[in-house]
Amino acid sequence: DIQMTQSPSSLSASVGDRVTITCQASQDISNYLNWYQQKPGKAPKLLIYDASNLETGVPSRFSGSGSGTDFTFTISSLQPEDIATYYCQQYDNLPFTFGQGTKLEIK
Amino acid sequence: EVQLVESGGGLVQPGGSLRLSCAASGFTFSSYWMSWVRQAPGKGLEWVANIKQDGSEKYYVDSVKGRFTISRDNAKNSLYLQMNSLRAEDTAVYYCARDRYSGCYDYWGQGTLVTVSS
Repeated sequence: DIQMTQSPSSLSASVGDRVTITCQASQDISNYLNWYQQKPGKAPKLLIYDASNLETGVPSRFSGSGSGTDFTFTISSLQPEDIATYYCQQYDNLPFTFGQGTKLEIK
Repeated sequence: EVQLVESGGGLVQPGGSLRLSCAASGFTFSSYWMSWVRQAPGKGLEWVANIKQDGSEKYYVDSVKGRFTISRDNAKNSLYLQMNSLRAEDTAVYYCARDRYSGCYDYWGQGTLVTVSS
């Protein structure tokens, strides 16, 4: 199985900060990577697909980059409503696997 | 509007069975792969199973193989997960998700909680 390692596991930042989360795959997954946002008690929401494509309706402050084994998710200017847990997920090989999540809090 | 509504969760004893359902609306159900993804309390997300548009291909995470069966009824716009021989470690919120393409989940249901406990 492909292991997805996210860092950090938790992050505290101020409104307006630039926030970066990294995700590393245990083997080359090309660009078969998605990013999801999950708020407490809610279902996950797709934000970025194919490593760098912004899902329709998602604010442009969210972005993704990378290919192969190393990926980055960025919020350019943190907003209060961005408080959530973020997950990367590979879909290159079954079983499709998620990172362990990054819990983002407001400082 | 795309909607996915799960049902069928609840409390079950170890070794018991449960059948989850997911009612889909707002899109052509028969055109999409569908998946079940679960989340244990306070834990991360785990893909459980998926099924091709016509039901001809089904895949499972190793931990549920031989115990869980995914199925669909395109005439009823419904997805199912039959769960047998349930274990404490199967306790989780189970989400139904639409695959934009296999592995990319663009719509999710609200989830249904399955608790396996004596």
